[in-house]
Amino acid sequence: YELTQSFSVSVALGQTARITCGGNNIGSKNVHWYQQMPGQAPVLVIYRDNNRPSGIPERFSGSNSGNTATLTISRAQAGDEADYYCQVWDSSTVVFGGGTKLTVL
Amino acid sequence: QLQLQGSGPGLVKPSETLSLTCNVSGGSISSRNYYWGWIRQPPGKGLEWIGSIHYGGSTHQKPSLKSRITMSVDTSINQFSLKLTSVSVADTAVYYCVSGTYSVFGLDYFDPWGQGTLVTVSS
Repeated sequence: YELTQSFSVSVALGQTARITCGGNNIGSKNVHWYQQMPGQAPVLVIYRDNNRPSGIPERFSGSNSGNTATLTISRAQAGDEADYYCQVWDSSTVVFGGGTKLTVL
Repeated sequence: QLQLQGSGPGLVKPSETLSLTCNVSGGSISSRNYYWGWIRQPPGKGLEWIGSIHYGGSTHQKPSLKSRITMSVDTSINQFSLKLTSVSVADTAVYYCVSGTYSVFGLDYFDPWGQGTLVTVSS
């Protein structure tokens, strides 16, 4: 099972960024999203499609339907610049997407 | 609050065995709610799941690595471990220990992550 993410996404400061994760019938799976700042360990930002862990700003939201899951970051800030990874469980294996680098302009 | 602290040698020779441990604090490794796992990231690349283990002994492992992996849990010291045999340059990576949940579908999300241990395979 493969998860496809765009290599990079750019967003203007204060605008909305959308990072997508494509997979065959991904809408039938639980999708989780991680944020990784340079030199740091990944941090969970969305779990089970659209749930935010405590401490994650409401600006982060998720959706999942059909063949695409989406991480949406509203009112993007400079501090949101990071790599973002999607992850699912399929056929007894954990699968990660290749990661998307978010740049805030 | 659950915290994970990984440790291990930073340098391993080709063909030898990589051994890492992860200390768990702020919670019990014997909790039935968690799987304890390992994820690695080669320099400049993406995340790769290695495997996960429940304190009761149940394991899940990446098929391509399964023959080289041994995972264990030591409940007496709240610690879990990874051994990866016959390492090569391709195994050079930052290795993260993680806490994972599970659902009726299988393994779920990972939270929290340890700080990561850089392991270089070189002679």
